[in-house]
Amino acid sequence: AQKVTQAQTEISVVEKEDVTLDCVYETRDTTYYLFWYKQPPSGELVFLIRRNSFDEQNEISGRYSWNFQKSTSSFNFTITASQVVDSAVYFCALSEEAAGNKLTFGGGTRVLVKP
Amino acid sequence: DTAVSQTPKYLVTQMGNDKSIKCEQNLGHDTMYWYKQDSKKFLKIMFSYNNKELIINETVPNRFSPKSPDKAHLNLHINSLELGDSAVYFCASTLSSRGRRGYTFGSGTRLTVV
Repeated sequence: AQKVTQAQTEISVVEKEDVTLDCVYETRDTTYYLFWYKQPPSGELVFLIRRNSFDEQNEISGRYSWNFQKSTSSFNFTITASQVVDSAVYFCALSEEAAGNKLTFGGGTRVLVKP
Repeated sequence: DTAVSQTPKYLVTQMGNDKSIKCEQNLGHDTMYWYKQDSKKFLKIMFSYNNKELIINETVPNRFSPKSPDKAHLNLHINSLELGDSAVYFCASTLSSRGRRGYTFGSGTRLTVV
């Protein structure tokens, strides 16, 4: 069975600080996909990144970066030089080929960036 | 232009009523989903349809009945609404071959049962 754990329920930082969100997953499938979504206060789910299980390269997109480590089953997300607009709930999610491609979400981490 | 659209955006209704939420996508995707987000923000899958065929049905009360008239539409009908059904319901779609952008979500329907 697939499972995603986001141990941090809430993180509060001051603007310009870096913040790292942890995500640990469990799967028996060898082919799977990992995602991060952002849910701002307005409520919509915004896609940030997708990674497949065969691609362990880290990725950077502007102030966002992701560290995928299969050895520890982790897919962590770092926001560099945080801004107030980064305040949101961030979800890590897992999709397995063997599970009908459903997305299983972690419990989410609320990030509050104070000015 | 909206990729995945849900209607209505807000729904307030009394216990015992029957209501429907509609979802349409114009992305050419072949798989659609309903997710429920509770008051603690937990997101859980309810149903999934691929080309109008039900492929995932998680443990959902049979008061909830999805209907997919074609692969661009997935509606959710809820009978005999209960207080615990209050939540935000998200529709999503994807290509079963999973394009780079992954899953696209609608903006959600906030259901409040009073």
